[in-house]
Amino acid sequence: GIQVEQSPPDLILQEGANSTLRCNFSDSVNNLQWFHQNPWGQLINLFYIPSGTKQNGRLSATTVATERYSLLYISSSQTTDSGVYFCAVILTGGGNKLTFGTGTQLKVEL
Amino acid sequence: DGGITQSPKYLFRKEGQNVTLSCEQNLNHDAMYWYRQDPGQGLRLIYYSQIVNDFQKGDIAEGYSVSREKKESFPLTVTSAQKNPTAFYLCASSIRGAGWTWGTEHTDTQYFGPGTRLTVL
Repeated sequence: GIQVEQSPPDLILQEGANSTLRCNFSDSVNNLQWFHQNPWGQLINLFYIPSGTKQNGRLSATTVATERYSLLYISSSQTTDSGVYFCAVILTGGGNKLTFGTGTQLKVEL
Repeated sequence: DGGITQSPKYLFRKEGQNVTLSCEQNLNHDAMYWYRQDPGQGLRLIYYSQIVNDFQKGDIAEGYSVSREKKESFPLTVTSAQKNPTAFYLCASSIRGAGWTWGTEHTDTQYFGPGTRLTVL
């Protein structure tokens, strides 16, 4: 099946710092989503981005489908950004079955 | 408010018992999903349903069962056959139902409930 790898697995930042999270996937996809899982376990949709670039406030994401990777940028990080960031993909022709990466655990400190 | 609700938030089960986790949505979505998350891991798909009275096995369906009698409800039963049921269970839904070939952001984005933490004693 499709492999989804995220890096780095863990990241500690000082408040105000910027960061880049990466998601590599092994096959062609027609759906890629980024999620933030807060400390209570709730998954929050960040981006639907199978290709191209999107921005939402301090967050932006870029997917280069031909090279099979996606990047999530967090600027001016805040303590509320802490949690786990997941990317999830749907293989082209894979119906609507999301395959998740193992996540990046982010901790933002004061 | 529109959204996805799961109950209970925490559930404790003795070995050998079946338990049913509730998932309800009032978003008028056709498709619903159940995922399992183990500590430090990503989510894995248990079952999904594209339309009422139809459901498909995901990657880890053994020891689980589902039903989809109503559009807004997709309960998951964790049976005694599930060897390691202690986990965090998340339900999701999306607009997209059966018959779609190419989706869009509007149809394919999956939205998640708050989850149920199941512990087997």
